[in-house]
Amino acid sequence: DTEVTQTPKHLVMGMTNKKSLKCEQHMGHRAMYWYKQKAKKPPELMFVYSYEKLSINESVPSRFSPECPNSSLLNLHLHALQPEDSALYLCASSPARWRTQYFGPGTRLTVL
Amino acid sequence: QQQVKQSPQSLIVQKGGISIINCAYENTAFDYFPWYQQFPGKGPALLIAIRPDVSEKKEGRFTISFNKSAKQFSLHIMDSQPGDSATYFCAASIDKAAGNKLTFGGGTRVLVKP
Repeated sequence: DTEVTQTPKHLVMGMTNKKSLKCEQHMGHRAMYWYKQKAKKPPELMFVYSYEKLSINESVPSRFSPECPNSSLLNLHLHALQPEDSALYLCASSPARWRTQYFGPGTRLTVL
Repeated sequence: QQQVKQSPQSLIVQKGGISIINCAYENTAFDYFPWYQQFPGKGPALLIAIRPDVSEKKEGRFTISFNKSAKQFSLHIMDSQPGDSATYFCAASIDKAAGNKLTFGGGTRVLVKP
């Protein structure tokens, strides 16, 4: 079963709020990813965790803060976001750093 | 060098027809080429993938053709069905590169008319 779950499905937040997105996989994958996707565009890589360590940060603003508490969980903490941060946030995982990535359904984030 | 160019941006095909999406790349270090299918409001789902030592790979109605010398690869959807209406992304990556970064094409919105 290649399932990556994400919660919540939808999130509306104000610019002063703090919220978190959650991603979970139970496939034993050791690499996990956060992507941001705007409408009609391909996903843009934000962060990569490999063996629970942050291995890539694609120059993402500090208002986005990733966390990998264990090999199955990935969080994205959000603080002081801007309206232009509204997008679909996708989590993905892969068996190892260099294998096929499986995406979750995403969290639709709206920043007011 | 990291770009993957995808065409067309959109296409309309009649039910039962063939949908063809093309991608071209420059970086010869790319050695893994997946295709993803994405329905509105959903995450991309892996459809089929190919490595450059294979010229063609078929899974059901979906076929990838790969031309290493031309640095091009394409997706053919045979007997297209209305349920195939989605956005398709080609991608490329360098196996064993740090983080396995996927370089995505711009996407093709496919509409299959009944």
